[in-house]
Amino acid sequence: EAEVAQSPRYKITEKSQAVAFWCDPISGHATLYWYRQILGQGPELLVQFQDESVVDDSQLPKDRFSAERLKGVDSTLKIQPAELGDSAMYLCASSRLAGGFYEQYFGPGTRLTVT
Amino acid sequence: AQSVTQPDIHITVSEGASLELRCNYSYGATPYLFWYVQSPGQGLQLLLKYFSGDTLVQGIKGFEAEFKRSQSSFNLRKPSVHWSDAAEYFCAVGTYSGGGADGLTFGKGTHLIIQP
Repeated sequence: EAEVAQSPRYKITEKSQAVAFWCDPISGHATLYWYRQILGQGPELLVQFQDESVVDDSQLPKDRFSAERLKGVDSTLKIQPAELGDSAMYLCASSRLAGGFYEQYFGPGTRLTVT
Repeated sequence: AQSVTQPDIHITVSEGASLELRCNYSYGATPYLFWYVQSPGQGLQLLLKYFSGDTLVQGIKGFEAEFKRSQSSFNLRKPSVHWSDAAEYFCAVGTYSGGGADGLTFGKGTHLIIQP
């Protein structure tokens, strides 16, 4: 069964450094999402892509976060500079239409620790 | 804007006992509702979903959930839990616009502990 791939799985970085995460959605899934999950909380949407276009980035802290999906397939989320409060799990998901219903499939996540 | 409340942060259940996890939502239209499970350090796995039709939905791993519009609830149930069910459980509500699914709004989660 196809899965959403993410790398790296774990990342430790120092405050003020740049960090990037990569996501490869399930083949054929046009919609891709990045979520941030702070320890003890539910995931919160950061950005949503439809093919290569951003559909919703209202919750993305644009002064330090950027996201791209250049060819409408894989995607990169970048943080520059990283802050202590960015320590969290970053989850990527993709969705498809199945039986008139959209299902989101999540990757394993990238656990970021900022020191 | 939609919201999801999971009133129980932690729940402890004995192995073999029944389970019910509560979820209340707030949304102005017909909601699309989901339950996900997350094991430590892992991503989220979809347990079940409600789109329309029968208000009692069956999912994987023996879980079911019932949509009650009058109570704005979508509680998750399992008749007999196994030690492997210990995990974090998230309820989520989804909306759809522009021909695609919007990002999900999640509750804060319920941590399920299984006692031997």
